[in-house]
Amino acid sequence: GAVVSQHPSWVICKSGTSVKIECRSLDFQATTMFWYRQFPKQSLMLMATSNEGSKATYEQGVEKDKFLINHASLTLSTLTVTSAHPEDSSFYICSARGQGRDSGANVLTFGAGSRLTVL
Amino acid sequence: GEDVEQSLFLSVREGDSSVINCTYTDSSSTYLYWYKQEPGAGLQLLTYIFSNMDMKQDQRLTVLLNKKDKHLSLRIADTQTGDSAIYFCAEKFGGGSNYKLTFGKGTLLTVNP
Repeated sequence: GAVVSQHPSWVICKSGTSVKIECRSLDFQATTMFWYRQFPKQSLMLMATSNEGSKATYEQGVEKDKFLINHASLTLSTLTVTSAHPEDSSFYICSARGQGRDSGANVLTFGAGSRLTVL
Repeated sequence: GEDVEQSLFLSVREGDSSVINCTYTDSSSTYLYWYKQEPGAGLQLLTYIFSNMDMKQDQRLTVLLNKKDKHLSLRIADTQTGDSAIYFCAEKFGGGSNYKLTFGKGTLLTVNP
């Protein structure tokens, strides 16, 4: 089945540094990837939709200069948290649309998530 | 706007059935999903149902959809301790390449031995 790999699974950084999170579709091509943020005991909040070869579409309230998204190939999207601050600490999850028999249902395959802690 | 509501907690005994409920607001949703999230992990798709269906069964999982009431439920038969996790209901809205999924806050299922 479709597999999405997310890396790193956890990262700790100092305030003011930038952190890059990668999301890879391992056995399928993903023209669209989604980035979510999840706070403890809360639901997933969609941050942006990443389309290969074009600019990402950000949800209202998400700072595009803060959360840089690049989708340079059909198998890789990256999220860079620039000048991270403690309030950016969160669990970031990516997903990609799968292909095959479930493609009509727009089934999303999720990565395992990346836990960011900013000190 | 789109909104998905779920109860936050459910506790059952091992071997019993679990029923997790969800309500949604977008009547134009074409697909509805159930995802499972174990601690510290991403979301795993359990099952989905097309909006013109009333029921879908997949082994121990049964999904019921009441489109009139915009109510979705997930029944897990013979619940096991390994089923303990957070379960998210999600609805799809929008079409083509511009679709999105809206998630509920998740229901924490605790299975007691």
